[in-house]
Amino acid sequence: DTAVSQTPKYLVTQMGNDKSIKCEQNLGHDTMYWYKQDSKKFLKIMFSYNNKELIINETVPNRFSPKSPDKAHLNLHINSLELGDSAVYFCASSPPGLGATGELFFGEGSRLTVL
Amino acid sequence: DAKTTQPPSMDCAEGRAANLPCNHSTISGNEYVYWYRQIHSQGPQYIIHGLKNNETNEMASLIITEDRKSSTLILPHATLRDTAVYYCIVREYGNNRLAFGKGNQVVVIP
Repeated sequence: DTAVSQTPKYLVTQMGNDKSIKCEQNLGHDTMYWYKQDSKKFLKIMFSYNNKELIINETVPNRFSPKSPDKAHLNLHINSLELGDSAVYFCASSPPGLGATGELFFGEGSRLTVL
Repeated sequence: DAKTTQPPSMDCAEGRAANLPCNHSTISGNEYVYWYRQIHSQGPQYIIHGLKNNETNEMASLIITEDRKSSTLILPHATLRDTAVYYCIVREYGNNRLAFGKGNQVVVIP
């Protein structure tokens, strides 16, 4: 059983399109995250939700809109895609405050390529 | 912003212990040291964490200096599957943010 699963794994699209990446976790965690890893391999946090409530919102263009229908799901919708949005997007989950161990559980990533 | 400094890359011999250094000279008293690694094209994976005592688990050992300004992650018997980018991270307990820096690209050589 995959603990944190993301779909799709690969996504190729044209500039200006709108796309979504879905994430689901079966670990029973309250907190979920989206991270972006660009071509230089920097891994940066974008958003975090705790039990469907937004708790972290880094400086991200408002073309990016996370949605958490329930605490096991955190989807990322991106409007009007730009070339610079090309990256690998990682979903992660954890207990609140990262729990006792500080362990984040990451998905396998979704590679977005904007042409 | 990452509060740690690591070498950008290093090579290790297969079967030998790999010692990965990390400097965190501005660490405060309530901040822990965490280590993660990212094997190519996969999501980062938690390895170990500590506050001031040395820690060991099935994956690695973490040695933190007495002044807590630096630490070393030890992979006791490096294998080819340990080739990855290793991230040393400092985090205040209870803070949801894990700030990943540039990491250390470790290559295990046969």
